[in-house]
Amino acid sequence: AQSVTQPDIHITVSEGASLELRCNYSYGATPYLFWYVQSPGQGLQLLLKYFSGDTLVQGIKGFEAEFKRSQSSFNLRKPSVHWSDAAEYFCAVGSLTGGGNKLTFGTGTQLKVEL
Amino acid sequence: KAGVTQTPRYLIKTRGQQVTLSCSPISGHRSVSWYQQTPGQGLQFLFEYFSETQRNKGNFPGRFSGRQFSNSRSEMNVSTLELGDSALYLCASSLDGQNNSPLHFGNGTRLTVT
Repeated sequence: AQSVTQPDIHITVSEGASLELRCNYSYGATPYLFWYVQSPGQGLQLLLKYFSGDTLVQGIKGFEAEFKRSQSSFNLRKPSVHWSDAAEYFCAVGSLTGGGNKLTFGTGTQLKVEL
Repeated sequence: KAGVTQTPRYLIKTRGQQVTLSCSPISGHRSVSWYQQTPGQGLQFLFEYFSETQRNKGNFPGRFSGRQFSNSRSEMNVSTLELGDSALYLCASSLDGQNNSPLHFGNGTRLTVT
């Protein structure tokens, strides 16, 4: 069965500092990988996705992620964090089991940004 | 283009009651998925509908059910509510339910069971 691990429950960074959120996945085939962000009281917003091709994926809001098959990782990065980036971040892997769309999410990383 | 709309935003119900939540997908999207989000279990997949047919189902008891209408709008129903059903229920739509058409989430319905 597929699974996603986000080892960091909470991360605090200073505004302007760089950010890396870790994500490891377990999946039997080439995965479809996603990063979503959730602000308090809101739904999830898609930051970026990886299906195939270039292993460095650019997303919205200045985020990028790198797919490393050898490490089963899909870490999210941002060179300079803004206070508005404070939110919860979820990594997810997609499945084609039974056709259609079913995501398995990690437990999330809560990002706090210090001014 | 309007996003995914979920109604109501908040619900308070009593144990044993039933509840129906509604989701209107983005115009043109034919796949609707439902997720439950709780602090203890995180985000868990409930089910997915495509062209009025349930295509995928998660590991939830039969008290959780859903349906999709011909206009792609979807409802989910929870019968005989339990305290543990208190959660944020998120609906997501995608164009065709394949992995290359990502999910777009609504803001959720917050259900509290007392």
